[in-house]
Amino acid sequence: SAVISQKPSRDICQRGTSLTIQCQVDSQVTMMFWYRQQPGQSLTLIATANQGSEATYESGFVIDKFPISRPNLTFSTLTVSNLSPEDSSIYLCSVDGTGASDTQYFGPGTRLTVL
Amino acid sequence: AQSVTQLGSHVSVSEGALVLLRCNYSSSVPPYLFWYVQYPNQGLQLLLKYTTGATLVKGINGFEAEFKKSETSFHLTKPSAHMSDAAEYFCAVSDPNDYKLSFGAGTTVTVRA
Repeated sequence: SAVISQKPSRDICQRGTSLTIQCQVDSQVTMMFWYRQQPGQSLTLIATANQGSEATYESGFVIDKFPISRPNLTFSTLTVSNLSPEDSSIYLCSVDGTGASDTQYFGPGTRLTVL
Repeated sequence: AQSVTQLGSHVSVSEGALVLLRCNYSSSVPPYLFWYVQYPNQGLQLLLKYTTGATLVKGINGFEAEFKKSETSFHLTKPSAHMSDAAEYFCAVSDPNDYKLSFGAGTTVTVRA
């Protein structure tokens, strides 16, 4: 399976600012996904990021709030804009497995706290 | 559309006892099914998956799950719990056409010595 890293691992941000989260994979992958895990809850898909095209957002998530970049097959960023305390969550990226595209593998997550 | 229901948000077992985590799914197409484990302050690790073929699938750390289409279930079991099994477990389903995962609410497992 792919080795996935995320930066930062955690951050504390002030209300109204933005945080950009990086996701790096050690091999080329077709699909990358971004999830949000609110405190004590399950994971919710934010968007799918494919290289060379606009990200596809799930219901309830919009590009202005969660802009995503996918400049190549090993890297993606998620920005959480205009932060409010309700954005305090763990944000995880995942990728489809090389040679096993039916399976997603997850990064370690970024824990965001908004004050 | 897919959805997952995990019965029981918390399960407590004694070390050496059977671990049984229940998962039922709803899907409009033949689903792909997954179990992931999340240890404290970590990301998700794949335990096992069912896509096609044999309905009893074996995963890492001694876990296994059985796909039962008639019951729309994919329950996770481990014959003998170990202290290191304490974690949160998520059942997930995906549509083979787009691979988007829908997760259950999760089950927290505690293991008593």
